[in-house]
Amino acid sequence: AQSVTQLGSHVSVSEGALVLLRCNYSSSVPPYLFWYVQYPNQGLQLLLKYTTGATLVKGINGFEAEFKKSETSFHLTKPSAHMSDAAEYFCAVSVGTGFQKLVFGTGTRLLVSP
Amino acid sequence: NAGVTQTPKFQVLKTGQSMTLQCAQDMNHNSMYWYRQDPGMGLRLIYYSASEGTTDKGEVPNGYNVSRLNKREFSLRLESAAPSQTSVYFCASSETRLAGGQDTQYFGPGTRLTVL
Repeated sequence: AQSVTQLGSHVSVSEGALVLLRCNYSSSVPPYLFWYVQYPNQGLQLLLKYTTGATLVKGINGFEAEFKKSETSFHLTKPSAHMSDAAEYFCAVSVGTGFQKLVFGTGTRLLVSP
Repeated sequence: NAGVTQTPKFQVLKTGQSMTLQCAQDMNHNSMYWYRQDPGMGLRLIYYSASEGTTDKGEVPNGYNVSRLNKREFSLRLESAAPSQTSVYFCASSETRLAGGQDTQYFGPGTRLTVL
């Protein structure tokens, strides 16, 4: 069964520091992978996704993620954190035959300090 | 273009009461979903509708029913609410061009439900 593991329920960084949020997946077939962001008291919105092609995917707000099949990873990075990046981040993988559905990780809350 | 809208935003129920959560999308999407979000558990799929006229169970369907009223609207009903159903509920929609795997899901703002 496909699943997603996000290491670290909370990650704290200083403003201007590198952001690294980890995501590992298990899938028996080439996966479709997603990162969503949730700001306080809001719904989720897509940051970026990997479907096929280039393994380095660029998203909104300066975030990017690299699909590494050998490591079954899809870690999210941003070179320089901004206060506005404080949010909860969810990694997700598409699963299933026929109609595919998303399975979400448990989320990582990013805290950014001045 | 409002995207995905949900009503109500907040609701408090007593154990055993029933209620329906409403969801509508104006993006002409084929597929719609209901999730619940609980602390430390991420989002879990309750029910989904791959296309108008179809509904299917997700990971945690017990205690819920759904209706795909038309292409725009997808409602979630709690027939007899229980404290374990205290959660934040999100509706989402996607275009679903192929099998749905690649499609972005668009989320509503959520409904915060408390069952006493």
